[in-house]
Amino acid sequence: AQTVTQSQPEMSVQEAETVTLSCTYDTSESDYYLFWYKQPPSRQMILVIRQEAYKQQNATENRFSVNFQKAAKSFSLKISDSQLGDAAMYFCAYRRKMSGGSQGNLIFGKGTKLSVKP
Amino acid sequence: EPEVTQTPSHQVTQMGQEVILRCVPISNHLYFYWYRQILGQKVEFLVSFYNNEISEKSEIFDDQFSVERPDGSNFTLKIRSTKLEDSAMYFCASSETTWNNEQFFGPGTRLTVL
Repeated sequence: AQTVTQSQPEMSVQEAETVTLSCTYDTSESDYYLFWYKQPPSRQMILVIRQEAYKQQNATENRFSVNFQKAAKSFSLKISDSQLGDAAMYFCAYRRKMSGGSQGNLIFGKGTKLSVKP
Repeated sequence: EPEVTQTPSHQVTQMGQEVILRCVPISNHLYFYWYRQILGQKVEFLVSFYNNEISEKSEIFDDQFSVERPDGSNFTLKIRSTKLEDSAMYFCASSETTWNNEQFFGPGTRLTVL
């Protein structure tokens, strides 16, 4: 069975600095999706960034980028120029790549709580 | 921007009572999901639903749970006889027409079983 591990329960970063959140996963499949979701306090989870396993290039979305190391099964999230609004719970998630017949449910890590200091 | 909504935001119930959690997915989405998060633990998959039937369910989703799409807009999760360990945050999600699209999440319903 696939598992996702986030080893940092909490992280803190100074405003305008860069922070990296770690995620490792375990799977025997060769093609899949990886995601980072952000959950601000009392708000819904929103997708921050997505990576397809067959793509070697690391995904980027503005200040958010990933370091995807397929062989090491590592998928870290880098937030550059951190802003106060980045403070949230961040979840790493895995999903099989479906060819049809059933839907791919997300498998989540436990989350990392990010605080941003002004 | 369209979003998934859930009601109520907080539900308190007595052990053994039935609860229905409601979700309104994004209108053109066809795939629906329920997840739950016990306080301090991982978000866990419960069930997925497509074309008016369950597509996949986890071990958590036992006979006490059921899902329904009673009309064109709502998607409900029913827990027949709640237990203390059902206390959790329940998230609804929906995705669009193809298998691998992004899942959009609702804000969650906090269920407290006393």
